[in-house]
Amino acid sequence: GAVVSQHPSRVICKSGTSVKIECRSLDFQATTMFWYRQFPKKSLMLMATSNEGSKATYEQGVEKDKFLINHASLTLSTLTVTSAHPEDSSFYICSASLMGGGNTEAFFGQGTRLTVV
Amino acid sequence: QKEVEQNSGPLSVPEGAIASLNCTYSDRGSQSFFWYRQYSGKSPELIMFIYSNGDKEDGRFTAQLNKASQYVSLLIRDSQPSDSATYLCAVNNNNDMRFGAGTRLTVKP
Repeated sequence: GAVVSQHPSRVICKSGTSVKIECRSLDFQATTMFWYRQFPKKSLMLMATSNEGSKATYEQGVEKDKFLINHASLTLSTLTVTSAHPEDSSFYICSASLMGGGNTEAFFGQGTRLTVV
Repeated sequence: QKEVEQNSGPLSVPEGAIASLNCTYSDRGSQSFFWYRQYSGKSPELIMFIYSNGDKEDGRFTAQLNKASQYVSLLIRDSQPSDSATYLCAVNNNNDMRFGAGTRLTVKP
């Protein structure tokens, strides 16, 4: 299957600082990348959908000024958690879809465990 | 509101038995359906996908889709302890991918 690389896999930061998470599709071009957040023992929650070259579409309740998404190319999307607070501590996962319409599977990155202290 | 519903479990089966995981979805326009497996602390990994009504078999796994009933299931034959994980159902409509809450499966030796 296709490979999606997410970096870093684990990060600890101080409250009030910003953290950038990268998601790269290594062997395919991804028109669409998805960002999810997952709290312990809970399901994936879609935060936003990003399309290359356009603004991300955020889910209801997700602050776009706090979670900045940049999909600069067909192989790279970044999520920046700005002014992080302890409640932002979570497992953040990206996924990327192969170019195409509805019959496309999503490939996941390894996830980033963010701890805000 | 597009919803994907799964029984959260836990579902416990003995080793060698068939595990049956179910999922219903609300968006009739959904085009493709996926089952992912997620081990604790890890990212989900794709097990199977299905696009058409009926059954699709891959090794010990069989996905079943019934679009009229908006229902998709996953059967795991000859369950192994290594199958113990959370299984996520995902539904895609034109690159809008939605996940269920997942069903936690435990296979007891």
